[in-house]
Amino acid sequence: AQKVTQAQTEISVVEKEDVTLDCVYETRDTTYYLFWYKQPPSGELVFLIRRNSFDEQNEISGRYSWNFQKSTSSFNFTITASQVVDSAVYFCALMNSGYSTLTFGKGTMLLVSP
Amino acid sequence: DTAVSQTPKYLVTQMGNDKSIKCEQNLGHDTMYWYKQDSKKFLKIMFSYNNKELIINETVPNRFSPKSPDKAHLNLHINSLELGDSAVYFCASSQLGLASHNEQFFGPGTRLTVL
Repeated sequence: AQKVTQAQTEISVVEKEDVTLDCVYETRDTTYYLFWYKQPPSGELVFLIRRNSFDEQNEISGRYSWNFQKSTSSFNFTITASQVVDSAVYFCALMNSGYSTLTFGKGTMLLVSP
Repeated sequence: DTAVSQTPKYLVTQMGNDKSIKCEQNLGHDTMYWYKQDSKKFLKIMFSYNNKELIINETVPNRFSPKSPDKAHLNLHINSLELGDSAVYFCASSQLGLASHNEQFFGPGTRLTVL
């Protein structure tokens, strides 16, 4: 069985603070894929990143960075110098090597205040 | 052009009614999905179709019947609607293959409210 845990239900920060969203996953597969999605207040799901289980390199995209550590089964997401527009619910998700359905965590709501 | 579209965006109906949500993708993908997001924002897979064939059915009640007339469409029909069906339903598509597990492209969602 697969499971994704996002222990932080809600995080509140002030603009320009750095914030890290935690994601811990469980799977028996050796090949799997990890994702982060953003859901702003408007409701759509926005793809942020995909990582496969064989690639543990960290990734940086602008103010966003991701830290993938297989040893701790974690795929954490850091926003540097947060902005009000970053306010959203962020979902971590896991895809196995079967039929490619996504198992989502419960999401972390990030509130960035001015 | 919208990659994955859903209609309607909002659907308000009475308990016991039958309703349908339509989904279309113009990405040429061979796999489509329905996800349900409940009031607590929890997202869960309901169905997956590959080349018009059902491949995943995640213990969804029989009142929910997906229909895929062709690879580009996956509609969701719900019979005898119940209060607990109120949720946001997301359609998604992706392309399976040897270099598979690409991102899933999501539609904008349909907010269903059952009164």
